[in-house]
Amino acid sequence: EIVLTQSPATLSLSPGERATLSCRASQSISTHLAWYQQKPGQAPRLLMYEASHRPGGIPARFSGSGSGTDFTLTISSLEPEDFAVYYCQKRLDWPITFGQGTRLEIK
Amino acid sequence: EVQLLESGGDLVQPGGSLRLSCAASGFTFSNYVMNWVRQAPGRGLECVSSISTTGETTYYAESVKGRFTISRDNSENTVYLQMNSLRAEDTALYYCAYSYSNTWQFDCWGRGTLVTVSS
Repeated sequence: EIVLTQSPATLSLSPGERATLSCRASQSISTHLAWYQQKPGQAPRLLMYEASHRPGGIPARFSGSGSGTDFTLTISSLEPEDFAVYYCQKRLDWPITFGQGTRLEIK
Repeated sequence: EVQLLESGGDLVQPGGSLRLSCAASGFTFSNYVMNWVRQAPGRGLECVSSISTTGETTYYAESVKGRFTISRDNSENTVYLQMNSLRAEDTALYYCAYSYSNTWQFDCWGRGTLVTVSS
């Protein structure tokens, strides 16, 4: 089973700052990675698929990059509503696995 | 409007059984793979089971294999998760989810139904 490891576990930043979240796969998954945002009391929301593709309705300040085993989600300038937990997910095949999450908190 | 509505969550004793349902609307249900994803309190996400459009192919996480059974009724636009031999570690919010493109990502989620396994 491919394991996804996210870092850091917690990221403390201020609105307006740039956020960089990492996800590392234990084996190459090409670009078959998705990112989700989850706010308290809500279901996760798909932010990025195929590593760097934004679904409709996702703001342009969110961008994704990477391939193989190393991936990055970048939020260019944090808005107050961006403080949440972020998960990466392997979308290649079963078993579908998620990273353990990065909590983005207000500094 | 696309909607997924889970139900069936409850408090159950260890060793007990429960059947979850997810009623879908707003899209052609029979064309899409359906999935159950769970989240233990304060923890991360785990995809526990998926089912193909016809129901012929099913997938299970190792943690639930042999205890959970996924099924679907395309005439009722509903996917089910039969949960047997429940354990404390099965306590979680169970989400129903699917992908608009029938790939292994989750574009649309329900609000979840809570399963608590405790004596």
